[in-house]
Order: sequence, then C-alpha cells, then structure tokens
Amino acid sequence: AQTVTQSQPEMSVQEAETVTLSCTYDTSESDYYLFWYKQPPSRQMILVIRQEAYKQQNATENRFSVNFQKAAKSFSLKISDSQLGDAAMYFCAYRSTDSNYQLIWGAGTKLIIKP
Amino acid sequence: ETGVTQTPRHLVMGMTNKKSLKCEQHLGHNAMYWYKQSAKKPLELMFVYSLEERVENNSVPSRFSPECPNSSHLFLHLHTLQPEDSALYLCASSQGEAAYTEAFFGQGTRLTVV
Repeated sequence: AQTVTQSQPEMSVQEAETVTLSCTYDTSESDYYLFWYKQPPSRQMILVIRQEAYKQQNATENRFSVNFQKAAKSFSLKISDSQLGDAAMYFCAYRSTDSNYQLIWGAGTKLIIKP
Repeated sequence: ETGVTQTPRHLVMGMTNKKSLKCEQHLGHNAMYWYKQSAKKPLELMFVYSLEERVENNSVPSRFSPECPNSSHLFLHLHTLQPEDSALYLCASSQGEAAYTEAFFGQGTRLTVV
C-alpha cells in the first residue's frame, strides 16, 4: 500500500526568505500524481501545485516549486520570498493513475511565517 | 472561495443525537467526497460519490450515513456518535476521475461529540 510521510510537523521561516517542506512517499507504481495542498487557518484547503511522475521537469507555480526525485521517492515544496499569507498547514498527497478517487495524504506540516 | 459550501461550520452533539452535515458545490462537478480530518493525522477518505452513485466506502462505521440526492448536494447523517468521532469533516468535489484532477474543498464542519 502507498504511504506518504511528512517528517516536519512544524516549520518556521522569516518573511521574504525561502523554505523547503519535505515529503517522501512509498509506492511500487511507476505512474502517479503528487500534490501539495495548503490549508490556511479557518479557510478552505486549496491546491498549490501538482506533478506527474512521468514528467522529469519540476513543476513551478509562481513562488512555489517542487523538487521531484522519483528514484528517491521524494517530493519537496520550495516556497520563495515567503509572505505572511503563506502561513498554513501544507499537505502532500499521492494519487495512483489506477486509484479511482483515492488520494493518500501526509499528516501535514504547519508553516509559520515570522514578520 | 472554492465554490464548495458546508453547513454548519460548528456542531456540538450528544452521543444520542441525530444530526446532518450538508455540503453544496456550485462548480458543476460530478464527484463529491467526505473526509475526516483529525489533528496531526492524514486526511481519511470516508465516502465518494460519482454521478450520485457511491463508489467508495472506506470501512466507515454505520453511524455515519451519506446521502447524495443530486450532483450538487451531499449530506452526512450522524447518529449515536462516539467522542472519538470529534473532528473536522471536510467535503470536496472534483470533475471526473482522472488522477490529475484537482479537488475543491469546503471550509469544513468542526464536530464535537460530548
């Protein structure tokens, strides 16, 4: 069975600096998708970025980018120029292309932004 | 906001009560989900409906009963809950079943069972 591990329960970063959140996963499949979702306090969870396992190029969305290492089964999220609005819980998730709706989630990392 | 609305936002209920959680999506999606979110634990998928048919039921106790009367509405009926059922219950929707599909979430209902 697939698993997703986020080893950092909490991270903090100074405003305007860069932070990297870690995510590792375990799977025997070759094709799948990986996601980072953000859940701000008392607000809805939203998608930050996604990556298809077959694409070697790392996904980028503005200040958010990933470092996808397929062989190492690692999928870290880098946030550049951190802003106060980035403070949230960040969840890493995995979905097999065969899954039928099932997302496998990590336990989350709480990101604190220091002004 | 994401186009997915959940009511109520907060609910306190006794173990003998019956209550319902409501979710409505305005996105025209054809799949809807219930998740349970407990502190410091991964999200747990409870139920999935696709085109108003239940397609996933992840060994959820029968004290949780879902209902999907149409593609825009999803309910979770609760009865004789236990204190360990206290959690944030999230509703989500998506379009289609492709693996890359983004899920859109509601703000959740914070449930406390006393």
